Amino acid sequence: KAGVTQTPRYLIKTRGQQVTLSCSPISGHRSVSWYQQTPGQGLQFLFEYFSETQRNKGNFPGRFSGRQFSNSRSEMNVSTLELGDSALYLCASRTSGNVETQYFGPGTRLLVL
Amino acid sequence: KNEVEQSPQNLTAQEGEFITINCSYSVGISALHWLQQHPGGGIVSLFMLSSGKKKHGRLIATINIQEKHSSLHITASHPRDSAVYICAVGGADGLTFGKGTHLIIQP
Repeated sequence: KAGVTQTPRYLIKTRGQQVTLSCSPISGHRSVSWYQQTPGQGLQFLFEYFSETQRNKGNFPGRFSGRQFSNSRSEMNVSTLELGDSALYLCASRTSGNVETQYFGPGTRLLVL
Repeated sequence: KNEVEQSPQNLTAQEGEFITINCSYSVGISALHWLQQHPGGGIVSLFMLSSGKKKHGRLIATINIQEKHSSLHITASHPRDSAVYICAVGGADGLTFGKGTHLIIQP
C-alpha cells in the first residue's frame, strides 16, 4: 500500500497570502488529522476529519481551516498568512477509531516571508 | 487540557548503551503513542499503548496507567537510533505532544 502523501513538499509565501496544502491518506483510511510543528511550540494538533466531517479541532485561529473529500483526501487552508505560520505541516491517517496507530506523511514545509 | 512532560530533553550515549526516555501526563487518556522523527521531518509511529508493555525488535515501551507514566527503552543502541523521540497522548481533543527527546548515539 502506498503511504500518506502530501503536496507540495515545500512552499514559500508572503505575509497576507493564503495557502492550500493537500494530503492523500493510505487507501482505506477514513480519518485524516493535521498537525503543525514549529521549533518553539513543537507539534500541535490542528484538526481531524472523518468521513468528510470535522471530528475534532485544536486551539488555532479561524484562519486555519480544512475539508475532506468523499475519497478521504483532505486539504487544509491558511488565510492571511503571518510570519508565525512558518512551520512543518504534517498530516496523518488511520482507519477510523481513536485508539489506532496514525501513519504520518512526509510533511509540507511552509516558509512565510 | 493534558500536559505531557518528557525527560530528558537531550541525551547523548555511546553505541551499545541501554537508553530510557520517560513521559508523564496529567489527565487520563485513551492511548499513548511513541513517535520517532529523523532529521528532515518524517515521523514514524513506533508504539501505541493503552496498557502494559510492547516490544518491537530492540525497542520496548511500557505504560503505567495509575501513575500516568510511560517509558521507551532502547537496548543495544546504535547510531541509526539517533533521532527525536516524541510521546503523544490521545484524548477527546486529539493528540497532545511532548516536546521530544533529542537522542544522539555516538559510535
